[in-house]
Amino acid sequence: QVQLVESGGGVVQPGRSLRLSCAASGFTFYTFAFHWVRQAPGKGLEWVALISDDGTTRYYADSVKGRFIISRDNSKNTLYLQMNSLRHEDAGVYYCARVSVPGTVGDIGSWGRGTLVTVSS
Amino acid sequence: SYVLTQPPSVSVAPGQTARMTCGGDNIGTKTVHWYQQRPGQAPVLVVYDDSDRPSGIPERFSGSNSGNTATLTISSVEAGDEADYYCQVWDSTSDHWVFGGGTKLTVL
Repeated sequence: QVQLVESGGGVVQPGRSLRLSCAASGFTFYTFAFHWVRQAPGKGLEWVALISDDGTTRYYADSVKGRFIISRDNSKNTLYLQMNSLRHEDAGVYYCARVSVPGTVGDIGSWGRGTLVTVSS
Repeated sequence: SYVLTQPPSVSVAPGQTARMTCGGDNIGTKTVHWYQQRPGQAPVLVVYDDSDRPSGIPERFSGSNSGNTATLTISSVEAGDEADYYCQVWDSTSDHWVFGGGTKLTVL
């Protein structure tokens, strides 16, 4: 059974950094691409970043490019999101999300339950 | 950047058909995915590749995509279908995934 468990959220001051993790289990981690998707309180879904199965290809939303880094450790079955220079508008629930089909970057078939990031002084 | 436009809300009586649109420039040339998000829960894929259903999703859910509009249709709507629905595409021009703003489906 596919499991994605995010951690690392919390309260952080503007301008500071935070690293989110997503521990994966129940499938062959290194064959799947992953997204980070966020949702501000009461708002819609916003795509944040994508990393390919081998980690060589990464894409970022304009709103986070240059501040956030998506990475993965295939030996640990773990996905990461390093968030630097955090802003108030970065606050929300961050979801780890796995694509449906290995070797592709198509639709998202599995989602974690999310971790909450609050940016406040 | 590519923009997807969804109506903020759709209301329908139980047993009727709900149609939720997702507008975008020549969206018919892109592949559209749809997600359902119930309050307090993570999203769930309900339609992928314009019109295919993942296993476990009822046949009442269907999708279409042509021209400048993609549509998610839910027939014989039930109270449990009340949720927010989001469309999503890959914009190859910008190498960005894009979500629509979401439509809140209310079952009267």
